[in-house]
Amino acid sequence: KAGVTQTPRYLIKTRGQQVTLSCSPISGHRSVSWYQQTPGQGLQFLFEYFSETQRNKGNFPGRFSGRQFSNSRSEMNVSTLELGDSALYLCASSPATVFATLTYNEQFFGPGTRLTVL
Amino acid sequence: DAKTTQPNSMESNEEEPVHLPCNHSTISGTDYIHWYRQLPSQGPEYVIHGLTSNVNNRMASLAIAEDRKSSTLILHRATLRDAAVYYCIPMYSGGGADGLTFGKGTHLIIQP
Repeated sequence: KAGVTQTPRYLIKTRGQQVTLSCSPISGHRSVSWYQQTPGQGLQFLFEYFSETQRNKGNFPGRFSGRQFSNSRSEMNVSTLELGDSALYLCASSPATVFATLTYNEQFFGPGTRLTVL
Repeated sequence: DAKTTQPNSMESNEEEPVHLPCNHSTISGTDYIHWYRQLPSQGPEYVIHGLTSNVNNRMASLAIAEDRKSSTLILHRATLRDAAVYYCIPMYSGGGADGLTFGKGTHLIIQP
């Protein structure tokens, strides 16, 4: 099976712009989660989508949003970029189901998108 | 919410066993304990997870204390490829974002 893919791998934006990142999960996985990784804060959870619905959400401002399509592919959007949004954004897919949530299942991470905000 | 405590870093020699500790004193009875690792310039990689009894797979073993307030990830024979940051995460059975926080992890250094 192909792994989790993320596009683009690298991105440079300026303050105030918006950005959209894409994630294709492993075939058959319906759960997709997004994480932000920075040297200072470590790996922080943004949100999880399952069957096109947001199931869990981390403590990030409303500028961070996401969605999931019927084929389980997911996008993450950040509006009005700030310098502090510079980070590695990771996507993870999981075989988690409605009843067997992330608690009981492993997550498979993609290589990430490195976002730099100037 | 369960909070975890892991050493910032540990060092071991190649081909020796490594025991990585994690304290999760506020874990609830139905929370699974997950371990992931992240090699340099890569996304995190699943290692193992368990609930109460000890678990083994091809990568590692997970020893869970009887009171479940701590666990230990055991790499039986470390190689240079095992040098990574190891994260211990109690996954809340009730879901919620806090259960999905990886924290800072333990930076494992392997000496040849």
